[in-house]
Amino acid sequence: GEDVEQSLFLSVREGDSSVINCTYTDSSSTYLYWYKQEPGAGLQLLTYIFSNMDMKQDQRLTVLLNKKDKHLSLRIADTQTGDSAIYFCAESITKGSYIPTFGRGTSLIVHP
Amino acid sequence: NAGVMQNPRHLVRRRGQEARLRCSPMKGHSHVYWYRQLPEEGLKFMVYLQKENIIDESGMPKERFSAEFPKEGPSILRIQQVVRGDSAAYFCASSPAPGTSGTDTQYFGPGTRLTVL
Repeated sequence: GEDVEQSLFLSVREGDSSVINCTYTDSSSTYLYWYKQEPGAGLQLLTYIFSNMDMKQDQRLTVLLNKKDKHLSLRIADTQTGDSAIYFCAESITKGSYIPTFGRGTSLIVHP
Repeated sequence: NAGVMQNPRHLVRRRGQEARLRCSPMKGHSHVYWYRQLPEEGLKFMVYLQKENIIDESGMPKERFSAEFPKEGPSILRIQQVVRGDSAAYFCASSPAPGTSGTDTQYFGPGTRLTVL
């Protein structure tokens, strides 16, 4: 199976909060990342969290990490139509080259 | 303030032709990574290079694909004798040398969308 798993779709109303979930398998993960990909564009790093942290907040974004369950979530407060995109979770394992493993991405659709 | 640059943004090739994809890393970054994204899938790692050296090519198909990052100029991903299954978005990312920054984060280019007819 995949090392990083995400649900494929999430639909929310504008103004609501969105929560995108991710699970990973490797307990030696060092960094966990959230990337955003808008249609036809590359990946934009949104935020990251170091594996010894539980939570990180950055404006409308909150990342929660449950290391015991190997579960990562991204909460977007007051979701806007401009937040519609694909969100990728990725983990980076301490093995020298820091090549992240990506999930398949969650398509977030924001309805007016 | 230029980010990672890739060109061309779109490339159309007929089966059997060669495709050359170019990537210029962010200023100050010495490491380049190539990924392939098939429709509705995540990114799959292909190859990791630093100047004049391939560090990890474990994700690269053994045949028809090659990559280089010369001392001068951009990194090149080369696909010979393309087939329809090569149609995908190819993304390049760059980073400082691992261990030199706090996160070793990779910064991505806009991608090259290859279509093989």
